[in-house]
Amino acid sequence: DAGVTQSPTHLIKTRGQQVTLRCSPISGHKSVSWYQQVLGQGPQFIFQYYEKEERGRGNFPDRFSARQFPNYSSELNVNALLLGDSALYLCASSLKGNPYEQYFGPGTRLTVT
Amino acid sequence: AQSVTQPDIHITVSEGASLELRCNYSYGATPYLFWYVQSPGQGLQLLLKYFSGDTLVQGIKGFEAEFKRSQSSFNLRKPSVHWSDAAEYFCVTGTASKLTFGTGTRLQVTL
Repeated sequence: DAGVTQSPTHLIKTRGQQVTLRCSPISGHKSVSWYQQVLGQGPQFIFQYYEKEERGRGNFPDRFSARQFPNYSSELNVNALLLGDSALYLCASSLKGNPYEQYFGPGTRLTVT
Repeated sequence: AQSVTQPDIHITVSEGASLELRCNYSYGATPYLFWYVQSPGQGLQLLLKYFSGDTLVQGIKGFEAEFKRSQSSFNLRKPSVHWSDAAEYFCVTGTASKLTFGTGTRLQVTL
């Protein structure tokens, strides 16, 4: 079975631009969570979606938004990019609407110049 | 708010030696605790989890962790380290909607 997949693998954007990151969960998983991992730090929670509804939101500005589609895949959007948004963005999926058994994808490395 | 602290940023051990990575949690009730490992090219992988019950939990790859309420600790152990264990290890606590990661401990294994 395929694991969590994320696209693209790497991305370079300029300050002020907008970016969309994509995630496909493990087949049968209905919950998707997004995390930001800045170099040298642990991942920070951004959003959790379950059955297409937002179930949790971390301490991130409104420039960050997400959505989940009927097939349970998800997109993370970041507007008005700042240099500080440069990070590894991780997607995780789980079977139930809770984080206890989360399976992580390889991440998307975003560089903002 | 729930949080975990990993006091060691970097640890170096010899292959075959025992390992203990420290983690302290901050939460009044019994927390949900996890250890994840992050290797280059491997992504984040769950090693083990503690919800309640037996305070010594076994995980994958020969790892174990012990929950000690009196010390607010959840230390990760392995009796004999292999070179392939070199990675970043995260202690994590969870609620119904999110995981909260510690800052991580980078493990280096010398041959």
